[in-house]
Amino acid sequence: AQRVTQPEKLLSVFKGAPVELKCNYSYSGSPELFWYVQYSRQRLQLLLRHISRESIKGFTADLNKGETSFHLKKPFAQEEDSAMYYCALSGGYGNKLVFGAGTILRVKS
Amino acid sequence: NAGVTQTPKFQVLKTGQSMTLQCAQDMNHEYMSWYRQDPGMGLRLIHYSVGAGITDQGEVPNGYNVSRSTTEDFPLRLLSAAPSQTSVYFCASSPTGETEAFFGQGTRLTVV
Repeated sequence: AQRVTQPEKLLSVFKGAPVELKCNYSYSGSPELFWYVQYSRQRLQLLLRHISRESIKGFTADLNKGETSFHLKKPFAQEEDSAMYYCALSGGYGNKLVFGAGTILRVKS
Repeated sequence: NAGVTQTPKFQVLKTGQSMTLQCAQDMNHEYMSWYRQDPGMGLRLIHYSVGAGITDQGEVPNGYNVSRSTTEDFPLRLLSAAPSQTSVYFCASSPTGETEAFFGQGTRLTVV
């Protein structure tokens, strides 16, 4: 079965501290993984996808197939990073997305 | 550029009432889908469509119907609203062969 697990409901860090949002998945085959972000009062938007291997707003995520993980990292958190973050995988035909429960990131000044 | 537009933004229904949540996209995307967002459960797929005239069930389809008569529109119908359907509903679209999904701003539905 396809599943995405985000173990932390809330992650609270101080500005300038490193951030790691955890994501583990189960999927038979080669998964395509994403991080979506939802800022306050805004729609859900794509932050990163593993195939592009790029850094967006200072965030990076590496797919580790051995550990079935896709953790999101940023070396220095900023207050504007405060948001809800969802890890998701694409379930193939029709681009059906399977989401984790989400992690609220709160960056304190 | 409107992208994915959902109406209404907020709705309160009484148990047993029916209603339709509207979703329209102007990007000529073939794939469209509906999700519900509940605390602690993330987003779960209700129904999806891979093109006009083609729809299929997702993870939580019970109590909902969809149709796709045009590429642009993908309405979600609640047949007989129940308190368990209180949620935030998101519509999304994707181009064929692409995996980035574009989301609407959501509809917050309360069933009393």
